[in-house]
Amino acid sequence: DGGITQSPKYLFRKEGQNVTLSCEQNLNHDAMYWYRQDPGQGLRLIYYSQIVNDFQKGDIAEGYSVSREKKESFPLTVTSAQKNPTAFYLCASRGEVLQETQYFGPGTRLLVL
Amino acid sequence: AQSVTQLDSQVPVFEEAPVELRCNYSSSVSVYLFWYVQYPNQGLQLLLKYLSGSTLVKGINGFEAEFNKSQTSFHLRKPSVHISDTAEYFCAVSLPNDYKLSFGAGTTVTVRA
Repeated sequence: DGGITQSPKYLFRKEGQNVTLSCEQNLNHDAMYWYRQDPGQGLRLIYYSQIVNDFQKGDIAEGYSVSREKKESFPLTVTSAQKNPTAFYLCASRGEVLQETQYFGPGTRLLVL
Repeated sequence: AQSVTQLDSQVPVFEEAPVELRCNYSSSVSVYLFWYVQYPNQGLQLLLKYLSGSTLVKGINGFEAEFNKSQTSFHLRKPSVHISDTAEYFCAVSLPNDYKLSFGAGTTVTVRA
């Protein structure tokens, strides 16, 4: 089954703690994206990567970091510098076929204890 | 930069009635347009997209949208809704050579029996 998986489904963060959200895809897509979703605000782009070992900041990158060491994986770390991390985080990927279309994972909900 | 405005934040509708969700965009260049649907606590699923050509686009689940360049709109319609259409709907835009998505704030559709 081809698709995008995100884990965990729910994640709890304590004050001052870094947490990492996982995103894996087996679609052989080159491009991957991280979005943050808050109620009433739609989705906002955090980071994106067009190719392995390269990534760019999106509109709200402060307090987040990413890596792209493998084509199929694009983990997002929410650092302690992100003061309001409670949100729904969505990962997406895009390939060469239908290259204009992004496909989304099921999301991770991050809550602060 | 391009932007998207979804004119209705909430749309209540009775089962088997028609529904229209309004989306306007702003851009100084040609764009690609998308409608995604999100069921509670899930990722986004592509309903339909406009890239070029015919301005009436048909998508999955009986949805269609019409691109109107002069009014910079891309409204989504369904002639007869089901309870299962209860969800949040997002309009998004991207540039043809960029593929980063800019999302509207979303429209919550609640279908009542």
